[in-house]
Amino acid sequence: EDQVTQSPEALRLQEGESSSLNCSYTVSGLRGLFWYRQDPGKGPEFLFTLYSAGEEKEKERLKATLTKKESFLHITAPKPEDSATYLCAVQATSGTYKYIFGTGTRLKVLA
Amino acid sequence: DGGITQSPKYLFRKEGQNVTLSCEQNLNHDAMYWYRQDPGQGLRLIYYSQIVNDFQKGDIAEGYSVSREKKESFPLTVTSAQKNPTAFYLCASSIRRAGEAFFGQGTRLTVV
Repeated sequence: EDQVTQSPEALRLQEGESSSLNCSYTVSGLRGLFWYRQDPGKGPEFLFTLYSAGEEKEKERLKATLTKKESFLHITAPKPEDSATYLCAVQATSGTYKYIFGTGTRLKVLA
Repeated sequence: DGGITQSPKYLFRKEGQNVTLSCEQNLNHDAMYWYRQDPGQGLRLIYYSQIVNDFQKGDIAEGYSVSREKKESFPLTVTSAQKNPTAFYLCASSIRRAGEAFFGQGTRLTVV
């Protein structure tokens, strides 16, 4: 069964304290892996798409990487405005093209 | 501005009533999706549509219905058969079946 697991569930960082969020996936074949940011009461905001192992994408303080079994979202020198829930999703090559989401990592950055 | 518009933002419904959530997109995307989000759970797929006049059940379709008469619109009806309808509902679209999806701002439905 296709599955996505995110860890940790919650993370508290001091401003400037870099860290990484993990997304482990099990799919028959990976069509794409997607990272989103979600603020409370809002819809998810698209961040990155990764397609193949070794691929990396960057945006401001965020960098996403991909291996054959997991993806990492690295946050460098975070600021309080980076506080949000970060969601990971995969789309498999087999079946229905649906997106399978993890339960997310709630990030809190303290000033 | 291009985007996905969900309305209303908040919706209250009495038990036993059907209610329809609106989702409109002006991105010219072919595929549209409805997800439900509950605390502590990942987004769960209710229905999706890859072309006009066609849609498929997702993982939790029971108690819901949809239509796709226009490319821009994908309304979701929560029927009285849905046993636990209180949740945050998210509509999304993607330019084609594969690739990133973009989300609306959500509708919070509360059954009173």
